[in-house]
Amino acid sequence: DAKTTQPTSMDCAEGRAANLPCNHSTISGNEYVYWYRQIHSQGPQYIIHGLKNNETNEMASLIITEDRKSSTLILPHATLRDTAVYYCIVRVWGNAGNMLTFGGGTRLMVKP
Amino acid sequence: DTEVTQTPKHLVMGMTNKKSLKCEQHMGHRAMYWYKQKAKKPPELMFVYSYEKLSINESVPSRFSPECPNSSLLNLHLHALQPEDSALYLCASSQDAQMTSGANVLTFGAGSRLTVL
Repeated sequence: DAKTTQPTSMDCAEGRAANLPCNHSTISGNEYVYWYRQIHSQGPQYIIHGLKNNETNEMASLIITEDRKSSTLILPHATLRDTAVYYCIVRVWGNAGNMLTFGGGTRLMVKP
Repeated sequence: DTEVTQTPKHLVMGMTNKKSLKCEQHMGHRAMYWYKQKAKKPPELMFVYSYEKLSINESVPSRFSPECPNSSLLNLHLHALQPEDSALYLCASSQDAQMTSGANVLTFGAGSRLTVL
């Protein structure tokens, strides 16, 4: 899997947009970018994924740069419930199947 | 049903015990996964089952023995564990481990927190 680099931690004010960056400079053409988050003491939760185009769903938006070497997850109106560790993952498929390899993630703290 | 259910939620065992962790999903997924997560660390992949066959073993010690009795169930048998094996064990499932589509999203359970004394 391509390596990803994320800031260790970030703060965001409640109600404001949270912009979480991720660098994946070694990404190759067939690798998707996935975002998961893990709220304390729970299992990771899927947020969004993309290949080339920007994507939006009910949870978040994903902005991928044209060269695909970085991306940004946007939570448009962060709430206290969005406090979690956010993982940016670039996944590739091998002969034995696909594997999701987690990096260090960004610990997002949403403050009142 | 869009959940992955893991039991037990908490398990305490001695180093000589034999215990099992169980995972169940009824989403028709054909790939199931075990991850291990130590405190303040990201999850680490242990095993991948695809169509009830073990397809990936990330060099996990033999004291961890996975089993996939059918497409809905995944077990992790534990024997002669060490205190350093204490961790949160996460089960996940996805539609098909062989899919090349980006839509092969993993759904995780809440985890089983294991303490080895």
